[in-house]
Amino acid sequence: DTGVSQDPRHKITKRGQNVTFRCDPISEHNRLYWYRQTLGQGPEFLTYFQNEAQLEKSRLLSDRFSAERPKGSFSTLEIQRTEQGDSAMYLCASSREQGVLKQYFGPGTRLTVT
Amino acid sequence: SQQGEEDPQALSIQEGENATMNCSYKTSINNLQWYRQNSGRGLVHLILIRSNEREKHSGRLRVTLDTSKKSSSLLITASRAADTASYFCATGIGGSNYKLTFGKGTLLTVNP
Repeated sequence: DTGVSQDPRHKITKRGQNVTFRCDPISEHNRLYWYRQTLGQGPEFLTYFQNEAQLEKSRLLSDRFSAERPKGSFSTLEIQRTEQGDSAMYLCASSREQGVLKQYFGPGTRLTVT
Repeated sequence: SQQGEEDPQALSIQEGENATMNCSYKTSINNLQWYRQNSGRGLVHLILIRSNEREKHSGRLRVTLDTSKKSSSLLITASRAADTASYFCATGIGGSNYKLTFGKGTLLTVNP
């Protein structure tokens, strides 16, 4: 396994700007997840893909957030009109479809909205 | 909302000592997993225990699960400075085999 990669690792943006993050999962993993983690908290589930289909979205994912996985490989998470409350670590994870439920996490993208 | 709650929130021990962290959860689960997170990095899966299991070992890790009390514990034996990290329990809840719900974590510091 080459591991889950995320880009960029850090992003500083001004309030109101749009940002996009990319996640490349482990190549043979069908499932891809996005989580958000704020300081002192555990990760919170945002959304989940099986192949290219987005199967579930958390209530945390407001209309300003959109995630895609167009070819069932990499995924993007876009935040429009960023707010200071969006400052967090955005984590991507992937897993196989069946069997062990273990999720492999990427290093995360730390977003700071000024 | 957080499903699991780890206890204690922070733990500081000397190298060579054992560290025990506890996790309590609220609803029925399919499985419970423990993850480690080094400062500012992604999470690393440590161990998974299914709801029909009571104890599991992996190297220096021992996990127990008590579904009647809705609690789990993670024991790290003979701790090392490299074990310094935050430890999270995560549950697969209800019929979900994919959505993990994490607690707030225990910050473990192992002093050399």
